[in-house]
Parts: sequence; C-alpha cells; structure tokens
Amino acid sequence: GAVVSQHPSWVICKSGTSVKIECRSLDFQATTMFWYRQFPKQSLMLMATSNEGSKATYEQGVEKDKFLINHASLTLSTLTVTSAHPEDSSFYICSARDGSTPLHFGNGTRLTVT
Amino acid sequence: SQQGEEDPQALSIQEGENATMNCSYKTSINNLQWYRQNSGRGLVHLILIRSNERETHSGRLRVTLDTSKKSSSLLITASRAADTASYFCATVGNSGNTPLVFGKGTRLSVIA
Repeated sequence: GAVVSQHPSWVICKSGTSVKIECRSLDFQATTMFWYRQFPKQSLMLMATSNEGSKATYEQGVEKDKFLINHASLTLSTLTVTSAHPEDSSFYICSARDGSTPLHFGNGTRLTVT
Repeated sequence: SQQGEEDPQALSIQEGENATMNCSYKTSINNLQWYRQNSGRGLVHLILIRSNERETHSGRLRVTLDTSKKSSSLLITASRAADTASYFCATVGNSGNTPLVFGKGTRLSVIA
C-alpha cells in the first residue's frame, strides 16, 4: 500500500533555531500534501495545503513566514519551523494524496523546543 | 478549522464490552472517515463511509452516518485492551482537493 515517510520522528532544538521536517511519498506521486499540527491531548489542526510546484495555502492563524513549506517535487514536501520557540513544541503530521481516498499519513514528528 | 465535537471525550470500558463513539460535523461532506491514534504516534485509517451511505462495517467496526443530523457513530464490538487509543472522525468536503478536517477525538481505554 501507499506509504508516507516522515523524518525525523522526533527532534529537540534550542529556542531560536530552525527545524526542517521532511515528508516523502515512497511509492506514489503526491500532487497534494497536507500539514497538520497536534498539541497534547488535542485533535489535529490543519496548518497548510501544499501543491507541487506552487505556493502553499495556509490556514487562518498559521504564520506563513514562520512555517515555511516547500513542495518542489511530487514525492517530497518540507516544513521548516523558523526561529522556533517553546510554544511551537508540538506533534507535526503530514499526509499525502495520490488521487484516491483516504489520505496517507506519515508517522509524525514530535518537536520539542527548549 | 475543526468540524465539531466527538462524544464522549473519554471513555473507559471493560474488555469484551462494546464501545460507541459519536461525531458531529458542520458542513456538507463527501465522506467521513474514522482514524485511530496510539499515544504520540501517527494515524491509522480505520474505515470510511460515503455521504450516500447510512451504515458500513469492517470486522469489529460498525459506522453509521446520518447526514440530516450531520453525525456519525463508530461502534467497536467485543473490545480488547489493544483497542486503547484515541479515535478521531474526519470529514472530506465536496469541493475539489479538500483536506481532512478532524474532530476533537475520543480517548478510549479498554481495561483488561
């Protein structure tokens, strides 16, 4: 079945640094990828929709200059948390669509900013 | 933005009992899906029901959909300790390439 690989699984970084999270579709071409964020004991909140070769569409309240999304190829999208702060600590999950339903999810990245 | 509420927020049952979780949503949908998430892990797709269906099942899972009430329920029969997880409903809208919109989830604990 379709597989989405997300890397890293977890990362701890210092406040003020930037962190890049990769999301790869391993055996299909993902024209669209979605990035979600999940705070502890809460649901997944959509951050942005990423279409290959175009700018991402951000949800209301998500700072596009802080959460940089690049979807340069049909198999890779990256989310960069710039100048991370402790309040950015969260679980970030990507998902990808291969034209069918349902979406395929990565295993998530747990970000801890100290 | 989130669609709505899952009910209950948390549920604790004994192994062997049935677990029922409900989900409400706000907008028209193409389909509704249920996912499972173990603590701090990724999502596992469980089952999908389309907007023109009223009920579907897979193994020990039974899902109903009432589009007039904009609600769905997930029934897990003969629960097992391994079913302990958070369960989320998620909806897909009718227009174009829309993302999943998740409910708030139900934390299920199955006690052996």
